[in-house]
Amino acid sequence: GENVEQHPSTLSVQEGDSAVIKCTYSDSASNYFPWYKQELGKRPQLIIDIRSNVGEKKDQRIAVTLNKTAKHFSLHITETQPEDSAVYFCAASQAGANSKLTFGKGITLSVRP
Amino acid sequence: DGGITQSPKYLFRKEGQNVTLSCEQNLNHDAMYWYRQDPGQGLRLIYYSQIVNDFQKGDIAEGYSVSREKKESFPLTVTSAQKNPTAFYLCASSIGQGRNTIYFGEGSWLTVV
Repeated sequence: GENVEQHPSTLSVQEGDSAVIKCTYSDSASNYFPWYKQELGKRPQLIIDIRSNVGEKKDQRIAVTLNKTAKHFSLHITETQPEDSAVYFCAASQAGANSKLTFGKGITLSVRP
Repeated sequence: DGGITQSPKYLFRKEGQNVTLSCEQNLNHDAMYWYRQDPGQGLRLIYYSQIVNDFQKGDIAEGYSVSREKKESFPLTVTSAQKNPTAFYLCASSIGQGRNTIYFGEGSWLTVV
């Protein structure tokens, strides 16, 4: 089955700096890669996703890049703000009726004011 | 996200008791999921269901049971066979399985006393 790993497990940045969170996956058939943000005590919420037919996707301060050859994808947050502090989960899945989303273990991002 | 309701938000279980967590969605989604979240373990899939009256085991199904008698409802029973049930439980749904965005409920905290 799919195995998704996130590195590093924690990340601390100064407010205004950029943060990059990287994920690797094992199943070359995976073609859907969402990112979720979870604030303390709350539910995970989708912030951006990418499908295998594109290499990069942006939404304001957030971008995701995908390298299918190397089987990794990354979340980029620019101009970080304290409210960006949260746990970020990456995930991967295939298309198809029996596929399921496999999550990484999460990365705790801390933005220092 | 507001269309998935989990109850109760907090639940205490005595040793040897079965407890049931409720999950209802009004999004008309076909697929529903149960995840367990422990600190540092990310999101682990317990059970999932693609259609009514059908469900499959996830990665950590032992000690849990589910039913899918109605499209909008997917209750999870934590049985006495689950030896370490204290965790945050998240119900989720998606339009269909594979490549579709998963939306989470607000979660239920289960504590064994």
